[in-house]
Amino acid sequence: QVQLQESGPGLVKPSQTLSLTCTVSGGSISSGSYYWSWIRQPAGKGLEWIGRVSSSGSTNYNPSLKSRVTISVDTSKNQFSLKLSSVTAADTAVFYCARERFPLFDYWGQGTLVTVSS
Amino acid sequence: DIQMTQSPSSLSASVGDRVTITCQASQDISNYLNWYQQKPGKAPKLLISYASNLETGVPSRFSGSGSGTGFTFTISSLQPEDIATYYCQQYGNLPRTFGQGTRLEIK
Repeated sequence: QVQLQESGPGLVKPSQTLSLTCTVSGGSISSGSYYWSWIRQPAGKGLEWIGRVSSSGSTNYNPSLKSRVTISVDTSKNQFSLKLSSVTAADTAVFYCARERFPLFDYWGQGTLVTVSS
Repeated sequence: DIQMTQSPSSLSASVGDRVTITCQASQDISNYLNWYQQKPGKAPKLLISYASNLETGVPSRFSGSGSGTGFTFTISSLQPEDIATYYCQQYGNLPRTFGQGTRLEIK
């Protein structure tokens, strides 16, 4: 059974860079035709896809965030990561990592709350 | 971006009721439409893929239909454990987009 687990600071100061890591267990991040995605959800609001990375490092980003987002993969650690720069309070959200298996998200992490505040 | 318009945004129904949620895509997405259930404090759970394909282990009271731009999600007989927020999500184009969600409550 594939499992995903987000990790990283729960509090980030405005203008700084938010960094999160998703650790995949129960399967290799390199196996199969998957993409590895980040999705966020502000409190009481809907879901926003941030972007994705393949095991080869190919990325796609949401145009609304593209200038601030970097997603990378470390196959040796079975992890992928998110960096979101120049954060503001509007970036406060629960961040989920998820596996994309065409045409759906089949496995999700439990989510991690990141608050942007000084 | 493909905009997904979901309605209603909230819904109150009684146990045993038939519940229907609609999702409209801003352009043709064929049948690349998924439905997720999200309970408070939990990650979304995939219920239906390809607009009408029920995922393994999902109760048969859940169903989906539609193609192109118009889609429907139905719970045939509402159960207390179905209280959640439901989201549609398109997989036709990047960026992936979700509907704004339908919050389902028991009357």
